Amino acid sequence: KQEVTQIPAALSVPEGENLVLNCSFTDSAIYNLQWFRQDPGKGLTSLLLIQSSQREQTSGRLNASLDKSSGRSTLYIAASQPGDSATYLCAVRPLWGGKLIFGQGTELSVKP
Amino acid sequence: EPEVTQTPSHQVTQMGQEVILRCVPISNHLYFYWYRQILGQKVEFLVSFYNNEISEKSEIFDDQFSVERPDGSNFTLKIRSTKLEDSAMYFCASEDAPRRDTQYFGPGTRLTVL
Repeated sequence: KQEVTQIPAALSVPEGENLVLNCSFTDSAIYNLQWFRQDPGKGLTSLLLIQSSQREQTSGRLNASLDKSSGRSTLYIAASQPGDSATYLCAVRPLWGGKLIFGQGTELSVKP
Repeated sequence: EPEVTQTPSHQVTQMGQEVILRCVPISNHLYFYWYRQILGQKVEFLVSFYNNEISEKSEIFDDQFSVERPDGSNFTLKIRSTKLEDSAMYFCASEDAPRRDTQYFGPGTRLTVL
């Protein structure tokens, strides 16, 4: 059964710092992996999607990498800003079926 | 930019009552999903729906739950007899076909069962 784990559960950094969020999954048979942002009491906003054949994706200050063989993904945020404060979720999509399997998230706080 | 909408944003109900949560997926999307997130826990998959039938469901999605696409725009989740443990945020998502890459999530409905 696929399990997705995110470390750390919470992270507090000063503004301007570069940071890395980690996601690991137990079954490498995935179709893709997606990173989401969730603001308190709000829905999920897709940030980056990496196909299983890809190694990384970039969008602005965000870079996500995928190492399928080791079951790991990282989300790198450059030059963090207070507006980046949110919970970041990773989710994997198995090879078969459409559902997403989520990690528990990393709650990020960027202090001015 | 097209978006998934959900109503109501917050629903309070008494235990044992039926509730219907509504979603309007992005038009021309053909795959629909319901997920839920109990406070402090992971987002969990409930059910997926395609071509007017359930394509996949989780163990959580028992006989108390049902989904329907009553018309060309709405997608609903019905809970027949709510329990305290059904209190959660319920998210609807939709996806176009055949690309099937990104699921677009709605803002969620917070269900509180008293």
